[in-house]
Amino acid sequence: DSGVTQTPKHLITATGQRVTLRCSPRSGDLSVYWYQQSLDQGLQFLIQYYNGEERAKGNILERFSAQQFPDLHSELNLSSLELGDSALYFCASTPGTVPTGELFFGEGSRLTVL
Amino acid sequence: EDQVTQSPEALRLQEGESSSLNCSYTVSGLRGLFWYRQDPGKGPEFLFTLYSAGEEKEKERLKATLTKKESFLHIPAPKPEDSATYLCAVQGWGTQGGSEKLVFGKGMKLTVNP
Repeated sequence: DSGVTQTPKHLITATGQRVTLRCSPRSGDLSVYWYQQSLDQGLQFLIQYYNGEERAKGNILERFSAQQFPDLHSELNLSSLELGDSALYFCASTPGTVPTGELFFGEGSRLTVL
Repeated sequence: EDQVTQSPEALRLQEGESSSLNCSYTVSGLRGLFWYRQDPGKGPEFLFTLYSAGEEKEKERLKATLTKKESFLHIPAPKPEDSATYLCAVQGWGTQGGSEKLVFGKGMKLTVNP
């Protein structure tokens, strides 16, 4: 158990809909990362937050947004969903003090768009 | 743009049959190269960090090595419990300040038969 909690574990929705994925980082970790994993693209970095502020951005679509709250949990919002958004979405956390490359991943949220 | 290529995409071994997994990378100044293990339905789990060419790390039955363009994950005596997907990732010095953003390869699925 990495200590990172993601909900929901599975989500099935329809095209055009909006969903919110939630992540609770490890106790004390200030950085939260979101990654998307699909069969053809592998793990793709979406966005990072550090202590409530956006720290780095990857190829995140404009239909997607995220935030980190004062209690350090994070949410990833996906809107106007398309079939191609079906994927596993992972959250990871780190202390955020000294970059080590050791990310602690949650078990992911599997999104299926029908 | 930082890139990671892993080969082969999938590998089947018999228990005790040694092999090496290859990770080729291009990065604008290597800050670190990382190996992760991912079991089905789970998030990636950190294994190793390698920082400079010539470095080697060992953990249980795994050994990772690094050159200026590649890393190898050596499995000299694999067991069925080593079956998993192994992911390689890099972090470059060009990474946005303070970010631990990792660029992952697509992974290599290892199956070890008893």
